Amino acid sequence: DAGVTQSPTHLIKTRGQQVTLRCSPKSGHDTVSWYQQALGQGPQFIFQYYEEEERQRGNFPDRFSGHQFPNYSSELNVNALLLGDSALYLCASTRRGGSYGYTFGSGTRLTVV
Amino acid sequence: TQLLEQSPQFLSIQEGENLTVYCNSSSVFSSLQWYRQEPGEGPVLLVTVVTGGEVKKLKRLTFQFGDARKDSSLHITAAQPGDTGLYLCAGAATGGSEKLVFGKGMKLTVNP
Repeated sequence: DAGVTQSPTHLIKTRGQQVTLRCSPKSGHDTVSWYQQALGQGPQFIFQYYEEEERQRGNFPDRFSGHQFPNYSSELNVNALLLGDSALYLCASTRRGGSYGYTFGSGTRLTVV
Repeated sequence: TQLLEQSPQFLSIQEGENLTVYCNSSSVFSSLQWYRQEPGEGPVLLVTVVTGGEVKKLKRLTFQFGDARKDSSLHITAAQPGDTGLYLCAGAATGGSEKLVFGKGMKLTVNP
């Protein structure tokens, strides 16, 4: 049974560009959350999607947007990239109403130069 | 804003030693989760505690949730090199929200 799958694993972008990261949740999970983890820090919540709608949002600017598809997969889009956006982006899935705990993917390492 | 403070932030010990990691907040959480993360990987869930005062054991790991659901601890007995990694605590806010607030983590190195 596949866990959470993220693509790509690594990405290098130039400042000002736009990037799209993708996530397939674990089978049976319907809720997807995105986190940003800077080097040496714990993950920070970006937003959460359920039933194709953004349900919660963390303290991130509008340059960060997302989408959830009918098959529960999700995308994270970041526009006008800044050097400070360089981080590991983690996708986590869970089943709403199920037991507590998330399954995380291995992340996408984004480097902005 | 809910914050979780973890201590210590770094720990380097010898194989066989015991250690305790603390996770503290001024906020109440509906549940507290502990994750372990290895370099280049995502966090892996170790345990979830939901009841104040709850104690859970996972082999050599003992997790405790504070009575007031504001703090938690992780105790590792007879640490092994395979325990090396980043240990993260994460709180789920009250009110049924599933957003997680993470601490900065404790980087543990167990030397053989």
